[in-house]
Amino acid sequence: DGGITQSPKYLFRKEGQNVTLSCEQNLNHDAMYWYRQDPGQGLRLIYYSQIVNDFQKGDIAEGYSVSREKKESFPLTVTSAQKNPTAFYLCASTSDRGADTQYFGPGTRLTVL
Amino acid sequence: RKEVEQDPGPFNVPEGATVAFNCTYSNSASQSFFWYRQDCRKEPKLLMSVYSSGNEDGRFTAQLNRASQYISLLIRDSKLSDSATYLCVVNLYQKVTFGTGTKLQVIP
Repeated sequence: DGGITQSPKYLFRKEGQNVTLSCEQNLNHDAMYWYRQDPGQGLRLIYYSQIVNDFQKGDIAEGYSVSREKKESFPLTVTSAQKNPTAFYLCASTSDRGADTQYFGPGTRLTVL
Repeated sequence: RKEVEQDPGPFNVPEGATVAFNCTYSNSASQSFFWYRQDCRKEPKLLMSVYSSGNEDGRFTAQLNRASQYISLLIRDSKLSDSATYLCVVNLYQKVTFGTGTKLQVIP
C-alpha cells in the first residue's frame, strides 16, 4: 500500500540533544513538507522540498534542519537551538508543490525532558 | 487579522443534529480550499474540497463564498463518529495555510 510513514510514533529526548525524525513516502510524490502542531494551534510549516537536493524554509524553520537526498525520504532534525521542541510533528507530501491534496504521515510526538 | 480563522468550539451537538462551521480567510486571491478532519492525536485527513458551486458528499456539504471570503462545512444527521476537529485549509499559489480547527463533539 502506498503511503507515508513516520518513525518513531513517540520520542523522548533530554534537553540539549539533537534528534532526527524520519519521514518516508512511497507515493512517488515530488514535494514533501514538515509541520509542527501545538495544542490549540494550527499546523505551522517548518520546511518543504519540491525536488531532491532542494528545500526551502517555512514559517518556523529556526532550530530545525532537513535534507532531501532521496525522493522518498525527508528527515527532520530538531536541534538544541530549538527553544520549545516538544510538539506533534507531521510530515506530508503532494505530487507537486502547490498541488491540491496533502497526504499526511501518522506523526511523531516529541517530548523533550 | 489571521490569514485563516476558525471558531475553535467546541461544538457539542446531539446525535442527529445538523451543525455548520465557517472559516474565514483574509486574502481574496486565495485559489483553492479544503476541509480536513483530524481525530485526537492523529494526522489530518482530507474530508473534501470546496468549490464555489458547492460540494456534497453524503451528509457533508461544503461551500465557498468568495464575496465574503469564507468557506463553510455543513454536517447533517450527526453521528458519534463525526466527533473530531475540522481544519480548513486555504491555498494561495504555493502557500498552504491551515486554520486552527473547530472541535466537534457529538453526544448521544
